[in-house]
Amino acid sequence: IAGITQAPTSQILAAGRRMTLRCTQDMRHNAMYWYRQDLGLGLRLIHYSNTAGTTGKGEVPDGYSVSRANTDDFPLTLASAVPSQTSVYFCASSDGEGAVNEQFFGPGTRLTVL
Amino acid sequence: GQNIDQPTEMTATEGAIVQINCTYQTSGFNGLFWYQQHAGEAPTFLSYNVLDGLEEKGRFSSFLSRSKGYSYLLLKELQMKDSASYLCAVRDQDYPFIWGAGTKLIIKP
Repeated sequence: IAGITQAPTSQILAAGRRMTLRCTQDMRHNAMYWYRQDLGLGLRLIHYSNTAGTTGKGEVPDGYSVSRANTDDFPLTLASAVPSQTSVYFCASSDGEGAVNEQFFGPGTRLTVL
Repeated sequence: GQNIDQPTEMTATEGAIVQINCTYQTSGFNGLFWYQQHAGEAPTFLSYNVLDGLEEKGRFSSFLSRSKGYSYLLLKELQMKDSASYLCAVRDQDYPFIWGAGTKLIIKP
């Protein structure tokens, strides 16, 4: 593994179903983030984690939950999917230290909820 | 409040220069980032400014004026591969990142 991986690449889901999007990074970054990206709206932060064991709510957290049991993994769960959650989901990480501390992005998961 | 504005779309000619502007409002400014995103791909980091002035990196330069809440990304010697969306983001002391909606840059031959 190099960088950040996400799974699945794409998914079609029936409304009401539960879904977990997976995110794993091998850079030992402290901070991780989940975004959704919709046309014309840019990246919107769903949840974030500054370090293992802690999580925080972003701009659009409703309907989503996260956990951060260890440094490498940051899964995002949709408890009961709705069509408005159709989007492209990006996971990102940053080392949480240093002057620049830029975010590195995974390849994304394209989710369609019918 | 926190807000970032950038143009929705710009068109430029191959070989030319283009400037993409970004204005922001934030209570605890702690750095401004530019990212490039090709269609169907993830954003990739281009540049970072935290102090006023110009940062140059090859064909790309980024400028920041903290007093005006203003930044621009300057792309020189445009190539067709520069066709992408360019995202402006601000790091706030109390919030991870605030993102603009992105500027779609179309390069014509």
